[in-house]
Amino acid sequence: DQQVKQNSPSLSVQEGRISILNCDYTNSMFDYFLWYKKYPAEGPTFLISISSIKDKNEDGRFTVFLNKSAKHLSLHIVPSQPGDSAVYFCAAILFYGGATNKLIFGTGTLLAVQP
Amino acid sequence: KAGVTQTPRYLIKTRGQQVTLSCSPISGHRSVSWYQQTPGQGLQFLFEYFSETQRNKGNFPGRFSGRQFSNSRSEMNVSTLELGDSALYLCASSPARVTEAFFGQGTRLTVV
Repeated sequence: DQQVKQNSPSLSVQEGRISILNCDYTNSMFDYFLWYKKYPAEGPTFLISISSIKDKNEDGRFTVFLNKSAKHLSLHIVPSQPGDSAVYFCAAILFYGGATNKLIFGTGTLLAVQP
Repeated sequence: KAGVTQTPRYLIKTRGQQVTLSCSPISGHRSVSWYQQTPGQGLQFLFEYFSETQRNKGNFPGRFSGRQFSNSRSEMNVSTLELGDSALYLCASSPARVTEAFFGQGTRLTVV
């Protein structure tokens, strides 16, 4: 049962344009959502997060939008740069009342930014 | 501030052997989680330790175990290795309540 889904395995964007990465989830009880960027043979690098009580969080070129009614979140990267080419994972957390830190990951989207 | 350190980076083991992986979290972080990444399954949660206690466990067989020491360093052990255990094993370090988890570079385990 895949609770966090990234339905686009890959995305290609021109340098300077906007990249929009999407993520859907099934559990309305998730408390927090995170986005990670991952290069091959390296660990994921944290990008940005958003609490379930908010609908937008912005950090530089990265903005995450959360639509709770649609159980959907998206990561916008503007402007896209070739160095952004990587696999992007969204992840969700159920805090279980603060008792655990279990991240549930999507399957990832490979972003290719073309120069 | 030093990041999350995982050792070794690469391992090759034979079926039936056992292996121990190590993770040193960011100083001050008391939560350490382990994840397995495979091409077909993505990132799967193995277990989480907090203050030397396992707080949560994923859906992996009992061959996968872990522990955490008083300095928050953690080890993960896999016994009776199978070919399907070949994967990138990632350790994540977090404060008590995670709003962002920091990952190490991982240990690439190959079982032959």
